Amino acid sequence: DAKTTQPTSMDCAEGRAANLPCNHSTISGNEYVYWYRQIHSQGPQYIIHGLKNNETNEMASLIITEDRKSSTLILPHATLRDTAVYYCIVRVVPSYDKVIFGPGTSLSVIP
Amino acid sequence: SAVISQKPSRDICQRGTSLTIQCQVDSQVTMMFWYRQQPGQSLTLIATANQGSEATYESGFVIDKFPISRPNLTFSTLTVSNMSPEDSSIYLCSVAEQGSSSEQYFGPGTRLTVT
Repeated sequence: DAKTTQPTSMDCAEGRAANLPCNHSTISGNEYVYWYRQIHSQGPQYIIHGLKNNETNEMASLIITEDRKSSTLILPHATLRDTAVYYCIVRVVPSYDKVIFGPGTSLSVIP
Repeated sequence: SAVISQKPSRDICQRGTSLTIQCQVDSQVTMMFWYRQQPGQSLTLIATANQGSEATYESGFVIDKFPISRPNLTFSTLTVSNMSPEDSSIYLCSVAEQGSSSEQYFGPGTRLTVT
């Protein structure tokens, strides 16, 4: 799987949009971008994934650049409950290959 | 989505002993994985638990230290053998559901402290 790079940490004011960037410059054509998050003391939680089109669900939006070398996860109205470590991962789909985690971005939502 | 439970949720063990962690899924799944998360670190994959055959271990992890069983499509165990304080971590079970989305789901984890 291609490697990803993310900022180590970010702050966001409560109620504002949180924009979490991810670089994946070596992504292959058949690799999807996945986002997970891990709230303290819990197992990671799936958020969203996409190939090349922007995606939106009830949790977040995923914006992937046209060259697919980077993406941004957007939490439109961050709450204190969104404080977590966010992981950006690229992987082939459909695939049952393991998910390899990088260090992720620690997001702190500030009141 | 798959619902995953792990037992025990936490344990404190003495060095030199072994602990077996159970992972139960509420539906049949193709793939099951075991991860370790050391304090303040990201998740590290230990192995893929294969149903009916030996687990596939990642570099740095061996079967003698982390024996894994997977007797069916809904259950797996991970044993942490001959424990030392360095084994103090959260151990997480993860599953990949069948289907084109290939989402991977994680259990709540087992917090292990070795004294």
